[in-house]
Amino acid sequence: DTEVTQTPKHLVMGMTNKKSLKCEQHMGHRAMYWYKQKAKKPPELMFVYSYEKLSINESVPSRFSPECPNSSLLNLHLHALQPEDSALYLCASSHPGKRDNQPQHFGDGTRLSIL
Amino acid sequence: TQLLEQSPQFLSIQEGENLTVYCNSSSVFSSLQWYRQEPGEGPVLLVTVVTGGEVKKLKRLTFQFGDARKDSSLHITAAQPGDTGLYLCAGVLGGSEKLVFGKGTKLTVNP
Repeated sequence: DTEVTQTPKHLVMGMTNKKSLKCEQHMGHRAMYWYKQKAKKPPELMFVYSYEKLSINESVPSRFSPECPNSSLLNLHLHALQPEDSALYLCASSHPGKRDNQPQHFGDGTRLSIL
Repeated sequence: TQLLEQSPQFLSIQEGENLTVYCNSSSVFSSLQWYRQEPGEGPVLLVTVVTGGEVKKLKRLTFQFGDARKDSSLHITAAQPGDTGLYLCAGVLGGSEKLVFGKGTKLTVNP
């Protein structure tokens, strides 16, 4: 069982819907990440939060809006998505900063399908 | 440009065989992780290597970090069907919060 919990596990939405993906961890990690993963490809970084502040946005379209309400929670708000946004969305967490032997731990992801 | 070159991309072997997966780069990494991912699940951390020349063993899996911290390998001895999955190497460049992934190796172990 993963220590990073993501909900929902599956999500189907239309292009005009608004939905949110949720991620929770209780490992005391202060860095949290959103990744997008297409089939048979490695994860692609979208956002990094460090100490609840957005530190990296990898030029992600504004239809994806991240939020970090506290040190344990990370949300990804979705609005007006396109069919090409269908993918597995992964959340990860780690100790932040230059503690290089502190790896990222991943949740099982949300499988998102845009109709 | 792919910072971490992972090979082979696909590998299909029989149960009991040995195999090695490679990750190579021209960049120096401060640490490197190996993950295994099964369909419908997130990547699961297998090991982190930090020191050049480091060798770590996890049952039948042996991980090595190159002396110059530019490359790494994963060797599996006597592979089993339960080893089937996507193996990902991922490295941290010095001073960065980002994890750089290789393209992955899709391993199938046939009974």
